[in-house]
Amino acid sequence: QSVLTQPPSVSGAPGQRVTISCTGSSSNIGATYDVHWYQQLPGTAPKLLIYGNNNRPSGVPDRFSGSKSGSSASLAITGLQAEDEADYYCQSYDFSLSDYVFGTGTKVTVL
Amino acid sequence: EVQLVESGGGLVQPGGSLRLSCAASGFTFSNYWMSWVRQAPGKGLEWVVNIKQDGREKKYVDSVKGRFTVSRDNAKHSVYLQMNSPRAEDTAVYYCARVRYYDIIGVMAVRNWYFDLWGRGTLVTVSS
Repeated sequence: QSVLTQPPSVSGAPGQRVTISCTGSSSNIGATYDVHWYQQLPGTAPKLLIYGNNNRPSGVPDRFSGSKSGSSASLAITGLQAEDEADYYCQSYDFSLSDYVFGTGTKVTVL
Repeated sequence: EVQLVESGGGLVQPGGSLRLSCAASGFTFSNYWMSWVRQAPGKGLEWVVNIKQDGREKKYVDSVKGRFTVSRDNAKHSVYLQMNSPRAEDTAVYYCARVRYYDIIGVMAVRNWYFDLWGRGTLVTVSS
């Protein structure tokens, strides 16, 4: 059972902006550990999307952005495109578990 | 090309054993911590184990401690996962991942870890 909670699904029309929340606690995100985000396209391996709360690896479009506040973080996708339809996972570290923890995952559907 | 390629998955009986391999290429393998992350069918991601560059430091998720063993061979640019006494709940796609980390020095020092390169995964099915 994950300690990072995400909404099971979000959806939006092409061109719209959607956000995905990642809620943690005082032993992970709230303890100043950063949040990282991964995109998993259908049938493929996860891919790093955002690291260190709001940094994009080379090649990731600037339509993707991250933020963090308190014990929560968010991933925003602006100008939603059909190719963004995927599962998205947040990830951090939990010092009470001494584990690298992933969020429950969010499926993004482009209407 | 920078990549990770897993192999060794398949069907294994409960209580049996299986060894997964991950071959790295395109980067200096010995400079990085490496990890195994798994995903049960239709489920989310679960970190399994990390191994330090020299292989001397390893960290496991509680559910596999005493059953799984990670190792690496820097000369062969490979990391391995020996799965002993697997259980049905170990059924998953196992991904090999490269680990990155950085430190934030504040009121307390915090080390952040993330996975910047993933293989395509290998499916392990534990069933009789």
